[in-house]
Amino acid sequence: QSVLTQPPSVSGAPGQRVTISCTGSSSNIGAGYDVHWYQQLPGTAPKLLIYGNSNRPSGVPDRFSGSKSGTSASLAISGLQAEDEADYYCQSYDSSLSGSVFGGGTKLTVL
Amino acid sequence: EVQLVESGGGLVQPGGSLRLSCAASGFTFSSYWMSWVRQAPGKGLEWVANIKQDGSEKYYVDSVKGRFTISRDNAKNSLYLQMNSLRAEDTAVYYCARMRFGHYGDYWGQGTLVTVSS
Repeated sequence: QSVLTQPPSVSGAPGQRVTISCTGSSSNIGAGYDVHWYQQLPGTAPKLLIYGNSNRPSGVPDRFSGSKSGTSASLAISGLQAEDEADYYCQSYDSSLSGSVFGGGTKLTVL
Repeated sequence: EVQLVESGGGLVQPGGSLRLSCAASGFTFSSYWMSWVRQAPGKGLEWVANIKQDGSEKYYVDSVKGRFTISRDNAKNSLYLQMNSLRAEDTAVYYCARMRFGHYGDYWGQGTLVTVSS
């Protein structure tokens, strides 16, 4: 069981907007630690998608956005495209574990 | 161009040992924290260990403490993971990642598969 909780799956039609939630606790997200998001296409390594709650690395389309509030965070993907079909993971730092923690991952299906 | 290339994975019997390596290039290796992250087949990501730039601080997930050792050789631009007393539940693809302030990995290697089985 992962320290951060994500829905196992979400889906949406091309062009639609979907959100993926990430819920933590007072020792990680709620303690003020940043949340980061990764995209993992099938058979490939994770790729940084959002860092510091809402920042996009160079090359990541602005269709991807992140936010954080309290003990939770969200990743929003607008204008869904077939190429967005992948697994998405949130990550933060946990002070009680003295290390990084991940969500269990969310599989995005583009209908 | 930043590159991280893992090696050393393979099939090992329970109780055995393996040493993973991660060769870094395209950046000043000695300036960054580095991490190992693993992913069991069909499962999610799990952080394994971190090491500070000069190797003076190391942190591990509870499940590998006392069995795994993270180390680095800045002269060789290389990161290592010595894995002892391996268990079936250690079976996973192991990724090395360059860590940035804020505890996130901005570059990841392609991974190396470790299979623990008799």
